[in-house]
Amino acid sequence: LAKTTQPISMDSYEGQEVNITCSHNNIATNDYITWYQQFPSQGPRFIIQGYKTKVTNEVASLFIPADRKSSTLSLPRVSLSDTAVYYCLVGDIRPNAGNMLTFGGGTRLMVKP
Amino acid sequence: KAGVTQTPRYLIKTRGQQVTLSCSPISGHRSVSWYQQTPGQGLQFLFEYFSETQRNKGNFPGRFSGRQFSNSRSEMNVSTLELGDSALYLCASSWAGTDTQYFGPGTRLTVL
Repeated sequence: LAKTTQPISMDSYEGQEVNITCSHNNIATNDYITWYQQFPSQGPRFIIQGYKTKVTNEVASLFIPADRKSSTLSLPRVSLSDTAVYYCLVGDIRPNAGNMLTFGGGTRLMVKP
Repeated sequence: KAGVTQTPRYLIKTRGQQVTLSCSPISGHRSVSWYQQTPGQGLQFLFEYFSETQRNKGNFPGRFSGRQFSNSRSEMNVSTLELGDSALYLCASSWAGTDTQYFGPGTRLTVL
């Protein structure tokens, strides 16, 4: 399983764009990159997933360079409610692989007023 | 559509006892995974069940076990509780296991 490395914590201010970068140097060909968000005392919540280039949904964008050894989660115009822990995960999403998602330490994002 | 539900939400036990936690997945989901979350170790994968069979297992002692029923509901059992088992236990369900995991609110277990 590919190991991921991401900053332990980040601070931002309301209205700013936040970029959280995740390193996954030994990502495998069949691996996808997935980001989850977790608020205190709640289960993680899926944010976005991608394989290469750029993926965008209503809450975030995910940028993946051609070598796929890193990825960047971009949160546009954050608000106080975006204060949470963000996890980057790498794993094979083919159905037969089953789930063995490994959550690293995550990045604790603090959004200040 | 109803989300993943876990019962009980809070539990207090003493060392040496055993505990059973329950998880009801989203309707139609066949994969149920369990995770342990502690401040020191973070979110750790316990095991995954798919179609009543344990398909993947994390690095936890045999005191941690689980099962899945034909309706995909799952239970997790921890025997001979230790103080270090105090944690938030999270259950997640998905269609196939490798697709998006939908997490429940968790069961907060305190071992005294």
